[in-house]
Amino acid sequence: RKEVEQDPGPFNVPEGATVAFNCTYSNSASQSFFWYRQDCRKEPKLLMSVYSSGNEDGRFTAQLNRASQYISLLIRDSKLSDSATYLCGGGYQKVTFGTGTKLQVIP
Amino acid sequence: DGGITQSPKYLFRKEGQNVTLSCEQNLNHDAMYWYRQDPGQGLRLIYYSQIVNDFQKGDIAEGYSVSREKKESFPLTVTSAQKNPTAFYLCASSPVDRSLEQYFGPGTRLTVT
Repeated sequence: RKEVEQDPGPFNVPEGATVAFNCTYSNSASQSFFWYRQDCRKEPKLLMSVYSSGNEDGRFTAQLNRASQYISLLIRDSKLSDSATYLCGGGYQKVTFGTGTKLQVIP
Repeated sequence: DGGITQSPKYLFRKEGQNVTLSCEQNLNHDAMYWYRQDPGQGLRLIYYSQIVNDFQKGDIAEGYSVSREKKESFPLTVTSAQKNPTAFYLCASSPVDRSLEQYFGPGTRLTVT
């Protein structure tokens, strides 16, 4: 089993929709979790850090469920500009990343 | 502006040649990391360094070497021993108080033929 797993997608959603991604992790010692956004052929950019139960920033909400060992990312009112690949990462002394979930927001 | 720079953006080499990728940061971050990303795969950790003059192997260190002589710089050498060197190489750094929160440079695309 991979240490961090994500559904690769693609998730094709209409503009204005709400979309959620999950990311499961196997290392129960993991303390810190992150969501990154990566545009095609660019570097990942930090979107949100999740250290406790959750975090919210505008249209983006991240939740951590330690009992079930997953983190989620909710995007409300999707914009065309949200189209990207979303990477999750987590760990204890180093971060392990998932392979990413591709989101395509369609007009 | 503070940030992480990697150069060059694109690099082409012949098989059998060693090549060094540059990574510089002016964020005053203590920790620095090197990852490679292949199509359809996640980021895989090559090496990381938490302080100057010290570094540790990541998950796929074979065929790579690094040095950390200055806090700002963490160059990666891809040696001829690396069997599949063609990839997108990403350098990252993180602050000491949020040591896993990483900020990435723009990356170097290495093609070896």
